[in-house]
Amino acid sequence: DSGVTQTPKHLITATGQRVTLRCSPRSGDLSVYWYQQSLDQGLQFLIQYYNGEERAKGNILERFSAQQFPDLHSELNLSSLELGDSALYFCASSANTWGDTQYFGPGTRLTVL
Amino acid sequence: SQQGEEDPQALSIQEGENATMNCSYKTSINNLQWYRQNSGRGLVHLILIRSNEREKHSGRLRVTLDTSKKSSSLLITASRAADTASYFCATEPGGGADGLTFGKGTHLIIQP
Repeated sequence: DSGVTQTPKHLITATGQRVTLRCSPRSGDLSVYWYQQSLDQGLQFLIQYYNGEERAKGNILERFSAQQFPDLHSELNLSSLELGDSALYFCASSANTWGDTQYFGPGTRLTVL
Repeated sequence: SQQGEEDPQALSIQEGENATMNCSYKTSINNLQWYRQNSGRGLVHLILIRSNEREKHSGRLRVTLDTSKKSSSLLITASRAADTASYFCATEPGGGADGLTFGKGTHLIIQP
């Protein structure tokens, strides 16, 4: 158990809908990262937050957004969902902004029908 | 984009044998991390090796890093059936805060 929690475990929804994925980092970690894992694209970095502020952006679509709250938990919002958004979404946390081990949560499996 | 490329893509060995996986990357890095993933589940962190380190050990795992060749290897000694999983290398860029860039992974099967 990495100490990173993600909810929900599974999510099934329809195209065009909007969903919110939630992540709680390990106790004391200030950075939260979001990653997407799909069969065709592999594991891709989406976005990083550090102590409430956006720190780095990866291959995140404009339909996706995230935020980190004062209690350091984070939410990833996915809107106007398409079939191709079906994937495993992972959250990871680390102590600081870079140079540290990233610990991954168990993931949320999103299925868009 | 995929910076790390693991080699081989798949590896099948007998229990008790050693398994070696290689990873190559393209740009300068701050550190390189190896992860294990069991069949669509979460990623388990194995080892982090910094750019100024050449070798690290953790239990049955040995990781080497050659920054001049932009490559790393993961050796698992005395393999067990429970080591069956996909193994990924991930690089953190040298420029500063950013996410990890993952390779496509090596799928390791340990035959009993």
